[in-house]
Amino acid sequence: DTAVSQTPKYLVTQMGNDKSIKCEQNLGHDTMYWYKQDSKKFLKIMFSYNNKELIINETVPNRFSPKSPDKAHLNLHINSLELGDSAVYFCASSATGNSYGYTFGSGTRLTVV
Amino acid sequence: SQQGEEDPQALSIQEGENATMNCSYKTSINNLQWYRQNSGRGLVHLILIRSNEREKHSGRLRVTLDTSKKSSSLLITASRAADTASYFCAIRSGGSNYKLTFGKGTLLTVNP
Repeated sequence: DTAVSQTPKYLVTQMGNDKSIKCEQNLGHDTMYWYKQDSKKFLKIMFSYNNKELIINETVPNRFSPKSPDKAHLNLHINSLELGDSAVYFCASSATGNSYGYTFGSGTRLTVV
Repeated sequence: SQQGEEDPQALSIQEGENATMNCSYKTSINNLQWYRQNSGRGLVHLILIRSNEREKHSGRLRVTLDTSKKSSSLLITASRAADTASYFCAIRSGGSNYKLTFGKGTLLTVNP
């Protein structure tokens, strides 16, 4: 199946822990994104990579570090997790350019306890 | 703010009726996109309308764009229970900015 797949789907962890979320796309897209959706369903862009180069880095705590080993993968590592990090994190990809929609993964629900 | 603002926040209709959702924005745009999100799932791209287009159709979906009023509408005709979802508009600003900024969504409930 052609898709954006992210793992894990659910992640429950304690405050202070470090965790990673992985994302892979097999659509041949050049650009990948991480979005955070809060409890009120508001989606906010966090990072974007184009051909492994960071092009968008919104005001995000530096505990969040994205890594793109190749253009098909974009991972998100979070250090020292806090309660406020609880949210659903979505990976997405698109072709380069303004005229393309995004393809989203199914999300990772992160709960920090 | 670059984000779109959807209106209404929630809409409940009967199957077979039409549903109209609106999106307003404040900046100049390259294009505007609509997405659907079913509960517990990722967003699905529905339709993209460019700034020089006024109307676009896709199946039961009709999108209009009025750049003078900085607004767009999404019409779903002959709604079905399966159309129950949240609908988001997203703004792609002008320039080489890759960022797509989402509104807060309209929750549509279609009752059988």
